[in-house]
Amino acid sequence: TQLLEQSPQFLSIQEGENLTVYCNSSSVFSSLQWYRQEPGEGPVLLVTVVTGGEVKKLKRLTFQFGDARKDSSLHITAAQPGDTGLYLCAGDPNTGNQFYFGTGTSLTVIP
Amino acid sequence: NAGVTQTPKFQVLKTGQSMTLQCAQDMNHNSMYWYRQDPGMGLRLIYYSASEGTTDKGEVPNGYNVSRLNKREFSLRLESAAPSQTSVYFCASSRDDLGYGYTFGSGTRLTVV
Repeated sequence: TQLLEQSPQFLSIQEGENLTVYCNSSSVFSSLQWYRQEPGEGPVLLVTVVTGGEVKKLKRLTFQFGDARKDSSLHITAAQPGDTGLYLCAGDPNTGNQFYFGTGTSLTVIP
Repeated sequence: NAGVTQTPKFQVLKTGQSMTLQCAQDMNHNSMYWYRQDPGMGLRLIYYSASEGTTDKGEVPNGYNVSRLNKREFSLRLESAAPSQTSVYFCASSRDDLGYGYTFGSGTRLTVV
């Protein structure tokens, strides 16, 4: 059973374009995280959101946690080749001892 | 550099062989984890250890065993490898407050033929 579904699964865009990646669930999460993973490496934490409706910005990346805390989105403005990677969301269903990872979105930014 | 170190980076096993994946962290974290990553399925938790001396099953523990050797080291053992265990394995550690996120190793790519 996959708690978190991400869409799209694959995304290929030109440098300079904007994009949005979605992370959806029927479950409520006490907090949600986004990670980026580069080939041959482990995921690296980008952000943690904990409040429904919360918006966090990290340079050209904007993260939003849904009001009902069941979904999240990641928006990238003016994508660059360095943004290429696998983006993973992960949610804590209030167990306190682990996050469940989404299916991932593989992003390729073409120069 | 501080972080999580996994060995080996690549491994090919024959069906039925056994092996142990090693993991060590130098961040003084209490919690350590083993995940597997398969295409289109994200990361799935195999086992975790909330503190030295304790281990618990995750989502997909069948076919695996773990040992929390001390606070730094957490190993994953495949007793009798099967082709379904072909995957990329990641070790991770975290502070007690998971809001700080996981720190992952660089992974072990395992192929069982």
